Amino acid sequence: DAGVIQSPRHEVTEMGQEVTLRCKPISGHNSLFWYRQTMMRGLELLIYFNNNVPIDDSGMPEDRFSAKMPNASFSTLKIQPSEPRDSAVYFCASSLGVREKLFFGSGTQLSVL
Amino acid sequence: GDSVTQMEGPVTLSEEAFLTINCTYTATGYPSLFWYVQYPGEGLQLLLKATKADDKGSNKGFEATYRKETTSFHLEKGSVQVSDSAVYFCALGTSNTGKLIFGQGTTLQVKP
Repeated sequence: DAGVIQSPRHEVTEMGQEVTLRCKPISGHNSLFWYRQTMMRGLELLIYFNNNVPIDDSGMPEDRFSAKMPNASFSTLKIQPSEPRDSAVYFCASSLGVREKLFFGSGTQLSVL
Repeated sequence: GDSVTQMEGPVTLSEEAFLTINCTYTATGYPSLFWYVQYPGEGLQLLLKATKADDKGSNKGFEATYRKETTSFHLEKGSVQVSDSAVYFCALGTSNTGKLIFGQGTTLQVKP
């Protein structure tokens, strides 16, 4: 298996633009997580899905952020409009379920100018 | 709420030195505990885990024991190598959800 695949690997955009990050989980995994990593705040859980259903989105910073999982093999994280403080590395991870280990993608490095 | 606290880094050691990275947790119920490692430019990878009290997780020379009485899961390695230089994250997983709660991460730098 190719592992968790994220795209793009790097994204540079201007403030106010819409940004869409993409994730393909490992086939057969039923849980998917979006994390954000910054120097100041470390690794923060934004939202996670179980069987394509959002279970906990309490980590989503504000309404500018939204996430979808239309099917078991694809998820998006959208920021609209983007702001410089959104600059971070965004990781997607998947797992087989509760108490199972997470498999992380390589992340998307987002820079909002 | 549930939380994980790790010792602050960076930790700088010479090759073959002994490593300890402290991790304590607060949780209701009986969480699983994990150590993840992040090498530069990569995502996190599971290093080891323990699912119940007194369990010892081990991998690649690293060990950690689930201590319920002290709510700790300290990471140890007897002899570190330059290739162990990375950021190490302690995490807990609750039984009721699938999510993991991570500590802030501890940067380890091993010098030759």
